[in-house]
Amino acid sequence: GESVGLHLPTLSVQEGDNSIINCAYSNSASDYFIWYKQESGKGPQFIIDIRSNMDKRQGQRVTVLLNKTVKHLSLQIAATQPGDSAVYFCAEINTGANSKLTFGKGITLSVRP
Amino acid sequence: DTGVSQDPRHKITKRGQNVTFRCDPISEHNRLYWYRQTLGQGPEFLTYFQNEAQLEKSRLLSDRFSAERPKGSFSTLEIQRTEQGDSAMYLCASSLAGTGTDTQYFGPGTRLTVL
Repeated sequence: GESVGLHLPTLSVQEGDNSIINCAYSNSASDYFIWYKQESGKGPQFIIDIRSNMDKRQGQRVTVLLNKTVKHLSLQIAATQPGDSAVYFCAEINTGANSKLTFGKGITLSVRP
Repeated sequence: DTGVSQDPRHKITKRGQNVTFRCDPISEHNRLYWYRQTLGQGPEFLTYFQNEAQLEKSRLLSDRFSAERPKGSFSTLEIQRTEQGDSAMYLCASSLAGTGTDTQYFGPGTRLTVL
């Protein structure tokens, strides 16, 4: 759903299930994408990144998928744990133009025990 | 801790006062960035440095804001004549450009409250 004011979209998953967090990015010229996790009162924490010449990249328990045709990015978290509860942001950069990150709307992941 | 550090973590000030925040990047990182984040939103870019040079400034950075990185290491962000609308989390990030990846790593932020 859409975020309105202070209310971020929320994804609620059962502990142990897989989570999929989606993001639509805005700039077709962006060539580098990053997922960040942000816990309450802390700065964004790097999770995983992907360049535009790839469509999939795997890390430990996380996978990022990139679909440039529809400007869509997703983060898959395997075997979701309570410690994964946080706000997740996707961010994009057009490295040929500048170095500033443009963040998407955050999504709150809530893990049910 | 060898990550990005910021000081202070919290700052409460009265409207009209000046405030200054400090950021210490990851050692040897040549780029340093400032972002602002309000509640419920993603961080918004303010400015960034490559070594000592300030290379880009956002329109969000009004003339009351000034950032410096005099020796290419730590940076300061000063806000003069603070307004209530300046209340936000101010985030610093650093990266090492020129190595093929330019991943930005964030500090814990400084939360500013203007009364």
